Amino acid sequence: NAGVMQNPRHLVRRRGQEARLRCSPMKGHSHVYWYRQLPEEGLKFMVYLQKENIIDESGMPKERFSAEFPKEGPSILRIQQVVRGDSAAYFCASSPRHEDYGYTFGSGTRLTVV
Amino acid sequence: AQSVTQPDIHITVSEGASLELRCNYSYGATPYLFWYVQSPGQGLQLLLKYFSGDTLVQGIKGFEAEFKRSQSSFNLRKPSVHWSDAAEYFCAVGAAGTASKLTFGTGTRLQVTL
Repeated sequence: NAGVMQNPRHLVRRRGQEARLRCSPMKGHSHVYWYRQLPEEGLKFMVYLQKENIIDESGMPKERFSAEFPKEGPSILRIQQVVRGDSAAYFCASSPRHEDYGYTFGSGTRLTVV
Repeated sequence: AQSVTQPDIHITVSEGASLELRCNYSYGATPYLFWYVQSPGQGLQLLLKYFSGDTLVQGIKGFEAEFKRSQSSFNLRKPSVHWSDAAEYFCAVGAAGTASKLTFGTGTRLQVTL
């Protein structure tokens, strides 16, 4: 029973390129959450999605960042025109139900912008 | 708005000694409280959670935490630390009624000396 799978584990992008981070939730989980961890900081909520719906994107930067969770396939966090300040660890979590606090986190994608 | 304070950035204990990691939260209603552990380069693993009921919560790996409403605290304890407990520990609070996001503290890094 695989856990939350995130790939790639490490991603290096040059300034101005696009970064795509993928998250496959646990089997049976239809709720996905993205968090960002900047160096020496705790995790900060970015966005909460269900299949084909964005439920809460209050933590997403207004520009360059977008997220989707299609009917088929993984959830994608997309960062356009990356800048050095986007360098961080991005974690995805999933849960089986709304208001279920059984978050299971993936191992994260560490994005480095050079 | 909810917030979490972990006043100790770094703690060092000897193997076999007892451990207490402090967590203070700010939230207007009854909070949902969590402790997570993160090993280097890994994702977050849920140690324990408190929603309601008994204020002393047992978790995995021999950890426990006590919810003290009067002190707005949710401190994590372990009677005897093992070298493998060296990691970063995060306290988090969620709002009752919405599962969309957790607010994390900045973490406490635990070092265990042999």
